[in-house]
Amino acid sequence: DAGVIQSPRHEVTEMGQEVTLRCKPISGHDYLFWYRQTMMRGLELLIYFNNNVPIDDSGMPEDRFSAKMPNASFSTLKIQPSEPRDSAVYFCASRWGQGVTEAFFGQGTRLTVV
Amino acid sequence: AQSVSQHNHHVILSEAASLELGCNYSYGGTVNLFWYVQYPGQHLQLLLKYFSGDPLVKGIKGFEAEFIKSKFSFNLRKPSVQWSDTAEYFCAVSFYKLSFGAGTTVTVRA
Repeated sequence: DAGVIQSPRHEVTEMGQEVTLRCKPISGHDYLFWYRQTMMRGLELLIYFNNNVPIDDSGMPEDRFSAKMPNASFSTLKIQPSEPRDSAVYFCASRWGQGVTEAFFGQGTRLTVV
Repeated sequence: AQSVSQHNHHVILSEAASLELGCNYSYGGTVNLFWYVQYPGQHLQLLLKYFSGDPLVKGIKGFEAEFIKSKFSFNLRKPSVQWSDTAEYFCAVSFYKLSFGAGTTVTVRA
């Protein structure tokens, strides 16, 4: 397996534009997590899914953020409209089963909103 | 609710020095504990994990961690660091969701 795959690796966009980040989890994993990493706030859990169902989205900062998982092999994180304070590295991670197994992280998407 | 706190924000060491990073968690149930490492410009990778059994767990690259239930702690140690250990280290707790501490930046001077 190629691991967790995120795209794009880098995204530069103008304020007000829609941004879509993509994640392909490891095949067979039933948990998927989206994190945001910034210098100021560290690694924040935004939302996680179990069997494609959103379980906890309490970390999603605003209504401008939305996440979907239409099937077991694909998830998106959308920001509409984007703002400069959304600039961060966004990581996707996947895991099999409850917390007894490790989560595997993608390479991240570095988002810059200008 | 589960939460994790890491004691140190930035640690600077010389090569061959010993390293210990503190981590405390709060969670009322059975916990699964992890230490992850993030090398500059890279994604997070697992160093070690604790689920049950021997409270002293050994991970990759000579790292180990000790789970002390009475203190709600899971401290990371390495007897002798190398320059290549320069990275950010994250403690994490998981039952269903996976929550991370703020991270500790470790800088090892050659």
